Amino acid sequence: AQRVTQPEKLLSVFKGAPVELKCNYSYSGSPELFWYVQYSRQRLQLLLRHISRESIKGFTADLNKGETSFHLKKPFAQEEDSAMYYCALREGAQKLVFGQGTRLTINP
Amino acid sequence: NAGVTQTPKFQVLKTGQSMTLQCAQDMNHEYMSWYRQDPGMGLRLIHYSVGAGITDQGEVPNGYNVSRSTTEDFPLRLLSAAPSQTSVYFCASSSGGGSYEQYFGPGTRLTVT
Repeated sequence: AQRVTQPEKLLSVFKGAPVELKCNYSYSGSPELFWYVQYSRQRLQLLLRHISRESIKGFTADLNKGETSFHLKKPFAQEEDSAMYYCALREGAQKLVFGQGTRLTINP
Repeated sequence: NAGVTQTPKFQVLKTGQSMTLQCAQDMNHEYMSWYRQDPGMGLRLIHYSVGAGITDQGEVPNGYNVSRSTTEDFPLRLLSAAPSQTSVYFCASSSGGGSYEQYFGPGTRLTVT
């Protein structure tokens, strides 16, 4: 079965410090991975997807097939980055398997 | 466009009661799904539908029923509520094809006493 693991339930960093949210997956094929974010009192929304190789709000994520990882990184954290972050793996046509989530808190 | 809407926002049920969580989308999306969100467990797929008249089970389907009579609506029925079904429920939709972005509703917070 495909699985997504986010080892950190909580992550706290200071404003201006680098941020890395970890995501590991298990998948017997060519994976498609996503990061979703849920800001306070807002809906869960797509942050970025690995196939786009884009940077959104300063965040990037690189798929490392050798380490089966898709860590989310940002060089300089901002207070508005505080949110719940979910890593997700596409399973089948439209199904997503989500990780447990990491609550990121940026301290001023 | 309203996007994905869910009603009610909050609900308290007694054990054994039944109810239906409503979900609707106005984006003409073929794919719709229901998730539950529990602390430390992330989002888990309950049921999903790839089009009107077609539904299938996800990871945690027990205790829930769904139907998809129209493209727009995808209600989730709790047949006999149990305290273990206390959770936040999210409905999502996506257009299919090459886009795998799912659009989420605001959620329904359900408490079963």
